[in-house]
Amino acid sequence: NAGVTQTPKFRILKIGQSMTLQCTQDMNHNYMYWYRQDPGMGLKLIYYSVGAGITDKGEVPNGYNVSRSTTEDFPLRLELAAPSQTSVYFCASSRTGGRVGSPLHFGNGTRLTVT
Amino acid sequence: DQQVKQNSPSLSVQEGRISILNCDYTNSMFDYFLWYKKYPAEGPTFLISISSIKDKNEDGRFTVFLNKSAKHLSLHIVPSQPGDSAVYFCAASARSGGSNYKLTFGKGTLLTVNP
Repeated sequence: NAGVTQTPKFRILKIGQSMTLQCTQDMNHNYMYWYRQDPGMGLKLIYYSVGAGITDKGEVPNGYNVSRSTTEDFPLRLELAAPSQTSVYFCASSRTGGRVGSPLHFGNGTRLTVT
Repeated sequence: DQQVKQNSPSLSVQEGRISILNCDYTNSMFDYFLWYKKYPAEGPTFLISISSIKDKNEDGRFTVFLNKSAKHLSLHIVPSQPGDSAVYFCAASARSGGSNYKLTFGKGTLLTVNP
């Protein structure tokens, strides 16, 4: 009963390095999301996808890229890491994308530190 | 501009008593409201939701009340248990262009239930 799985759990990057945060779900959900949570703040939407091959920007997309080649996977790419990207990143999926009766299901997060 | 506000960063209650967590919103287009619970080092877990056509939804010890005229919702936990100690996020959903919906989160309230 895996749900939404994120890897890695923790990562430390140097400024300017790149990395990919992995996310996979086994619930056959069409909608997938990437959020970041900064200390004392709510979750901010980075990117989302309504199905394989379709992605769109959220509130805070700058410095990130995504792709969605399969229903199951939705990786988040950081190209040139900056200290402002230090945060906890959550991936989520949903059956019908936030409509009534369709809550988001979250992974356990990736804690990223950029120094 | 915060569309979903949780004005109490923290709340402390005694075991067995009622916990009441509050949430205010400003966007009258929100039509679906959710509460998530988050333990440290885990992702948010869906707890309970309510559609805008209802004013109350109950699930075991958890009840959510919606007052649309006041743009206010609350989560009641009765009786509170030490295992309920967590951060609680309020979220609201509205259509965001086409057939997509967007979820907006509050900053969270840390609930501590003392034995």
